[in-house]
Order: sequence, then structure tokens, then C-alpha cells
Amino acid sequence: EADIYQTPRYLVIGTGKKITLECSQTMGHDKMYWYQQDPGMELHLIHYSYGVNSTEKGDLSSESTVSRIRTEHFPLTLESARPSHTSQYLCASSASGGPDSYNEQFFGPGTRLTVL
Amino acid sequence: KNQVEQSPQSLIILEGKNCTLQCNYTVSPFSNLRWYKQDTGRGPVSLTIMTFSENTKSNGRYTATLDADTKQSSLHITASQLSDSASYICVVSDRGSTLGRLYFGRGTQLTVWP
Repeated sequence: EADIYQTPRYLVIGTGKKITLECSQTMGHDKMYWYQQDPGMELHLIHYSYGVNSTEKGDLSSESTVSRIRTEHFPLTLESARPSHTSQYLCASSASGGPDSYNEQFFGPGTRLTVL
Repeated sequence: KNQVEQSPQSLIILEGKNCTLQCNYTVSPFSNLRWYKQDTGRGPVSLTIMTFSENTKSNGRYTATLDADTKQSSLHITASQLSDSASYICVVSDRGSTLGRLYFGRGTQLTVWP
């Protein structure tokens, strides 16, 4: 089983609150990713990072922000949560070295966010 | 437009039976194709990976095939077990970017009944 952790696993919060979803990995991977997944739909990349102090936006526009101050930690923050942010958020990481496309992405268990 | 289409959307089978899930893709240039298993409330876990030159790959009771000419893949599950109940996601990677962009299908939701 992959050593990548997400907390909280479930979060129910009111509109307008600031939230931070935590993601940590102990595999020493340089690359980390955040995906958003709605029921029955494909995963959409919202943020990624190649390493410390590197963050990029993904394909799906998101009002969330990320930071990468330590290799193992890649938190995602929503400054003001809205009902449209209700979704499952999955964090993943992959190793460097060799063609990027061959390096398996290991996923965390996800955070199920509900904004009321 | 790079896309990954999976069928069927959902499938119910009895324990012990075999089943085959399909994946069609239009991703180009193609690098590799993975099948992931995603249990309810969990993150996806990789089952197999195939590159352009491979046309079959097995992992226990899971056997994946790839036809790079027709851009089709299948995942065959033999002697299904209750624990096989999950969403099976086809993921195709391109080699046109440094990120190794991943394209995800919507998954096939498999339910195995006793």
C-alpha cells in the first residue's frame, strides 16, 4: 500500500469557511498532484508540483491554492468554501527519473468535502 | 481532442464469473496505458501498465490487453470475487509533455454479487 496520507478523510463545513486539506507522503517523491473527482466522473487535475517551491495549476480551473514548502507535504487551501466546492479531492505523488509518463502515480485515500 | 472512453458504465456479475471491461482512447502521442482499481472511498491503485509494444499483461486474476493500432484496451477479470467490487479506471498517458499528462476514463463500476 502506498505511503501517502490525506486528512481529514471527511469534512462537512459551512459556506465561507477557510479550509486546508492535508497531504503527506513518505516515499520521497518529488512530484505531487491534486485531483478533483465527482461521483461517476473522471479525475481532473487541479494542481501539481515538481518539487519544493514549485506549484502549477492543472487543467481544471480551481479556486483553491497549494503550497510546497517541504518535499513530503502538499496542502490544498480554500479561502472561502462554497457549495460548488463539494467534491472528492485526491492527492497523488510520483517519483522522478526516467520518462515522466512511466512513473506510477500513487494516490492517497481522498478527502470527501461537503460545503453546506 | 484526447479522450478516454470506458464501457460499460456499470456491470453486475455473480461471484465466480468472468467479465471484460473495455477502454477506447484517442490520446496521441501514446505513451502507456494503466488500469486502476478504485475501491469506494479510497484512492485508485494501479493494476497493470502497458506500453506501445506490449499487447497483454497479467496481474493475478486480472489480464489487460492493448491494441495500439485500434486504440483499444480491455481488462479481463477471471473467477470474480466479492472484493473485486470497485470502479476500474483506464488511464492513458501521452509523451508529448514533460508532465506525462494523464487522461482518465470515467471508470466502470463493477459489482460482484454472492
